[in-house]
Amino acid sequence: GESVGLHLPTLSVQEGDNSIINCAYSNSASDYFIWYKQESGKGPQFIIDIRSNMDKRQGQRVTVLLNKTVKHLSLQIAATQPGDSAVYFCAESENTGFQKLVFGTGTRLLVSP
Amino acid sequence: NAGVTQTPKFRILKIGQSMTLQCTQDMNHNYMYWYRQDPGMGLKLIYYSVGAGITDKGEVPNGYNVSRSTTEDFPLRLELAAPSQTSVYFCASSSQGEAFFGQGTRLTVV
Repeated sequence: GESVGLHLPTLSVQEGDNSIINCAYSNSASDYFIWYKQESGKGPQFIIDIRSNMDKRQGQRVTVLLNKTVKHLSLQIAATQPGDSAVYFCAESENTGFQKLVFGTGTRLLVSP
Repeated sequence: NAGVTQTPKFRILKIGQSMTLQCTQDMNHNYMYWYRQDPGMGLKLIYYSVGAGITDKGEVPNGYNVSRSTTEDFPLRLELAAPSQTSVYFCASSSQGEAFFGQGTRLTVV
């Protein structure tokens, strides 16, 4: 079936560096993409989303880039902080309302002081 | 605003036992979902509901049942627990835009 995957299982960065987490998806019908942050023992927390009619969307210290040609999604975190340490998941859905989310396996981000 | 609330947070079941994982949301969302997350993996959809009285299977429904008698509640039932159902279970709800997740129920079947 359709799936979403990640290239890097673990990313280690220094505090203050910029982090880039990548994700590949395969469902060409996906219209909505989301990045979630999951801290240990907690549920996924929404970070940022993007619709398929956009290439880039910015939030506070985070930017999501979407390349539909190669079915690639990335999350950029500026000035990474120790509090950013967590597992990050990309997810895709064919809808923005009703969301049968397909998750990747996750990338663990480790931020060293 | 409590969001999505799941109970219990932890549970240990013996093989063959049954239990219900509770989920309630106070955001008046039409759409609700149950996911399971195995260690080191992403979440997989078990069941979902698009409104009260309407439920459907997700990617991994075997061994589970759900009901949606009200907009707020979406319980997940395990009838005959198996070791393969050891996992962390997340309930979520959405309307338009982001889905909100509960804190999870960690279930161990021994």
